[in-house]
Amino acid sequence: GQNIDQPTEMTATEGAIVQINCTYQTSGFNGLFWYQQHAGEAPTFLSYNVLDGLEEKGRFSSFLSRSKGYSYLLLKELQMKDSASYLCAVTDSNYQLIWGAGTKLIIKP
Amino acid sequence: GAVVSQHPSWVICKSGTSVKIECRSLDFQATTMFWYRQFPKQSLMLMATSNEGSKATYEQGVEKDKFLINHASLTLSTLTVTSAHPEDSSFYICSARGQGDYEQYFGPGTRLTVT
Repeated sequence: GQNIDQPTEMTATEGAIVQINCTYQTSGFNGLFWYQQHAGEAPTFLSYNVLDGLEEKGRFSSFLSRSKGYSYLLLKELQMKDSASYLCAVTDSNYQLIWGAGTKLIIKP
Repeated sequence: GAVVSQHPSWVICKSGTSVKIECRSLDFQATTMFWYRQFPKQSLMLMATSNEGSKATYEQGVEKDKFLINHASLTLSTLTVTSAHPEDSSFYICSARGQGDYEQYFGPGTRLTVT
């Protein structure tokens, strides 16, 4: 079966760095997405990785290792507004998006 | 670019009535549209995938006669919740993807409350 695992909840301190991990087992792979979702709102796109390595975009970076079926989202200089759920999603061989359950990130002052 | 709108943003209806939710891609042609449902504190659940001009493909456990999806044009898809019940109360989100595009662009969601 297809499966995506990510921690249910994480807590970090304002100004710090946090890494959210995602492991996946899917039938085929055509890219991995990270989305941010604030409570009561739709997801917003953060990053897309299809090749191994690190993609940096401002305070957010995303890493992919296809051989390990592993990705992480790195958030630097955390701000209170970063409190949200972070969703990992993988596009399989049929270009279907398989979603993880999301990681709720709580930022404390 | 790549803006997706949904209407209405929220709706309250009585049990037994039907509700239609519209999803529009405003500045691109959406060859594929997706409908999701999300219950409080849970992740997105894909309900169905629709390609323009063809019947929607429903995920297992989603009643196609209850959740009617129409993708009549490259910019519009509709989801009709028929004979709504309180357990259908949820956050419904659509997304759209253009031809050859890898990213899904999400609408802002519609919050449905059935009383």
